[in-house]
Amino acid sequence: NAGVTQTPKFQVLKTGQSMTLQCAQDMNHEYMSWYRQDPGMGLRLIHYSVGAGITDQGEVPNGYNVSRSTTEDFPLRLLSAAPSQTSVYFCASRSAGGPSTFGSGTRLTVV
Amino acid sequence: KNEVEQSPQNLTAQEGEFITINCSYSVGISALHWLQQHPGGGIVSLFMLSSGKKKHGRLIATINIQEKHSSLHITASHPRDSAVYICAVRNTGTASKLTFGTGTRLQVML
Repeated sequence: NAGVTQTPKFQVLKTGQSMTLQCAQDMNHEYMSWYRQDPGMGLRLIHYSVGAGITDQGEVPNGYNVSRSTTEDFPLRLLSAAPSQTSVYFCASRSAGGPSTFGSGTRLTVV
Repeated sequence: KNEVEQSPQNLTAQEGEFITINCSYSVGISALHWLQQHPGGGIVSLFMLSSGKKKHGRLIATINIQEKHSSLHITASHPRDSAVYICAVRNTGTASKLTFGTGTRLQVML
């Protein structure tokens, strides 16, 4: 099993550009989440999904969109990148009551 | 005050030492997670526990629900244990929300 696959691993964007961070899991997990990790802070939840077709906002959703058209995929879209979105992004998935499996992360720099 | 507090923030140990990392939380939880993150690396789940104690190799995790406190112990520490250890709690009633501590950076020296 590949687990949780995130792409790309690194990305540099100019302010105002848009992009999509991809996340795919092959474990048939219902729950998927996106987090950002910033220095000196714990991971913070951006958006999450409890199943295909269902998404909800987390702690820091502004500037990001998500969709969950299939169980496997949970892409994160940056609509108009800002320097404040420079961060490391992690996707995670889990089954009900199970531990989370994390992707390897995407390091995003917005200049 | 953060909902999840870890101590210490940084820890340096000599190889072979017994290590304890602490996590206190202020909310009702359904589960507590201990995670490991190597420098520049991904995040790996070490333990998920809701009561008592779990052991995996040289790692032991305990939780006291009444005191809202958990500890992660590493016995016979080794340089490869050097990483950031993160405590996270799943709040009671939340569907998929983990609240994370800021992590404890551990360095084990030869």
